[in-house]
Amino acid sequence: DTGVSQDPRHKITKRGQNVTFRCDPISEHNRLYWYRQTLGQGPEFLTYFQNEAQLEKSRLLSDRFSAERPKGSFSTLEIQRTEQGDSAMYLCASSRLADYNEQFFGPGTRLTVL
Amino acid sequence: ELKVEQNPLFLSMQEGKNYTIYCNYSTTSDRLYWYRQDPGKSLESLFVLLSNGAVKQEGRLMASLDTKARLSTLHITAAVHDLSATYFCAVDMVYGNKLVFGAGTILRVKS
Repeated sequence: DTGVSQDPRHKITKRGQNVTFRCDPISEHNRLYWYRQTLGQGPEFLTYFQNEAQLEKSRLLSDRFSAERPKGSFSTLEIQRTEQGDSAMYLCASSRLADYNEQFFGPGTRLTVL
Repeated sequence: ELKVEQNPLFLSMQEGKNYTIYCNYSTTSDRLYWYRQDPGKSLESLFVLLSNGAVKQEGRLMASLDTKARLSTLHITAAVHDLSATYFCAVDMVYGNKLVFGAGTILRVKS
């Protein structure tokens, strides 16, 4: 069990550019979640997948954000036309319903938009 | 809309002392989770509480859940410096769904 991995760990970009993050969940977990955390706050839910189906999207997720989990394994989160307000830590988590939805978090991708 | 409130938001305590962090939530739920976060790091799962009256203990930390009062507590016994971190509680309103987190309690243990 190698845990949840995320790539890249850090991303610095200029306003208006597009960025894409990847998350690899724990292999037997069928649920995958994306959260965003800003300094001094708890993580805020963005979206989640069960296998390849995206089941819920937060109202926080504007049209500039899109997430996919094409084969029910890894997931990508893309932000188009980044804004300074997008600067945050983007956390991925995975879980298995049989384990009471205990969500295991990856190390996160820290995004800085200049 | 589910709201989760933690108190206190900041706690400075001496080594060897006891203290309790409180987590209140606004909507009925039978599942509550506690996480620890070290500066610049991700979240580490501490406890999963699944029913009214559930109590879990690990080392100097003990968590409990009262679903009728919509309250969970994280009790710290004889604090040590290594416990310094931010502690979050989170509630799962619909089983298997997203977690709603509190704002976190920053714990600093002074020697």
